[in-house]
Amino acid sequence: GESVGLHLPTLSVQEGDNSIINCAYSNSASDYFIWYKQESGKGPQFIIDIRSNMDKRQGQRVTVLLNKTVKHLSLQIAATQPGDSAVYFCAENLGGNEKLTFGTGTRLTIIP
Amino acid sequence: DGGITQSPKYLFRKEGQNVTLSCEQNLNHDAMYWYRQDPGQGLRLIYYSQIVNDFQKGDIAEGYSVSREKKESFPLTVTSAQKNPTAFYLCASSRTAGHQPQHFGDGTRLSIL
Repeated sequence: GESVGLHLPTLSVQEGDNSIINCAYSNSASDYFIWYKQESGKGPQFIIDIRSNMDKRQGQRVTVLLNKTVKHLSLQIAATQPGDSAVYFCAENLGGNEKLTFGTGTRLTIIP
Repeated sequence: DGGITQSPKYLFRKEGQNVTLSCEQNLNHDAMYWYRQDPGQGLRLIYYSQIVNDFQKGDIAEGYSVSREKKESFPLTVTSAQKNPTAFYLCASSRTAGHQPQHFGDGTRLSIL
């Protein structure tokens, strides 16, 4: 079925280190993926997206990797800063579907 | 600044009362969405609208109603039929439905008195 999950519910990283947040999806027909960041009391903020015809996409300090063979998505954040502390969600879109399916999120805490 | 505005930020509902949450966007997006977020859970889709005067039920539409009379506006009514309305409600929009990033407002937190 269509589901999105995360390997770790919480992640603590030392400031300045790199962090990797993982996401597994179950539907091989999903062809579009998004990462969001949500700070406490706010709405999710778009970080980066990737389509299934790509394996990697880079933004400012962030990289998303897509492994379609094992249905795995990851978000890498380089040189983490205190402002990176938040909950990170992945979301998938099944081809031809108007809806996104969201995972439950990983809480990232940056240790000063 | 272009964006999505949700109001009010906090809302309290009495038993048996309907309440309406406002969502306005000035991004000229065709598609709009309402989600519910409960503690420790992902977002669940309540209703979505791909175009003005059209909307579809999401995964948890029971006890909610919407309208889409204007492109910019997609209000959500939480009716008395919704027995567990306490949650964080998020509105989003995207240029079109599907394969587009959805952009979110800052939510309305609804509580029961």
